Amino acid sequence: QVQLVESGGGVVQPGRSLRLSCAASGFDFISYGMHWVRQAPGKGLEWVSFISYDGSKKYYGDSVKGRFSISRDNSKNTVYLQMNSLGAEDTAVYYCSRDSRIAPPGEDYWGQGTLVTVSS
Amino acid sequence: QSALTQPASVSGSPGQSITISCTGSSSDVGGYNSVSWYQQHPGKAPKLIIYDVSNRPSGVSNRFSGSKSGNTASLTISGLQAEDDGDYYCSSYMSYTSDILEFGGGTKLTVL
Repeated sequence: QVQLVESGGGVVQPGRSLRLSCAASGFDFISYGMHWVRQAPGKGLEWVSFISYDGSKKYYGDSVKGRFSISRDNSKNTVYLQMNSLGAEDTAVYYCSRDSRIAPPGEDYWGQGTLVTVSS
Repeated sequence: QSALTQPASVSGSPGQSITISCTGSSSDVGGYNSVSWYQQHPGKAPKLIIYDVSNRPSGVSNRFSGSKSGNTASLTISGLQAEDDGDYYCSSYMSYTSDILEFGGGTKLTVL
């Protein structure tokens, strides 16, 4: 079955960096684009970034542009989110999700999320 | 500020019906039929309940239905049950050719 497992979250000081990973299994990873979506405590969902199936296209939300970088290793079925210059506003649960547009209709998968807390 | 506008909260009694709106623009919600709705309970990942405006994934109750008129999509939940209490989000891609997702600000549904 399809699984997405995020890791790498934790407590980090303002201004520092952190790299999140999302390990995928149960589907043809190399065929799918991937998203990162975050949710600050008590707040709504915010789209963060997208990477195409082959890594050739990358997009970022305005609030993270220039600080975050998305990448993928198709040999390891893993997508990454490198987060630099972290601030308190980046404190959130970070989810990875599979692009559902080429999947069978109605198939939509998210990981369980990993919590990033930016605090001194 | 979210690109898609939802009411912050709605409420209803068990057995009643409620509707949550999601207003976007002519390029996203109004541009093509790719609006999705998610249900989220505390501490859980979002769960897809409607895709492509009005389709239900396998296993989702037929009490959930979706529609669209112009730049506004709507989620209707009929026969409210206590387990429907939670947060609901709409989403859409920015345009037919975009890979950028947009979310509504979310609507807190309270089942009285």
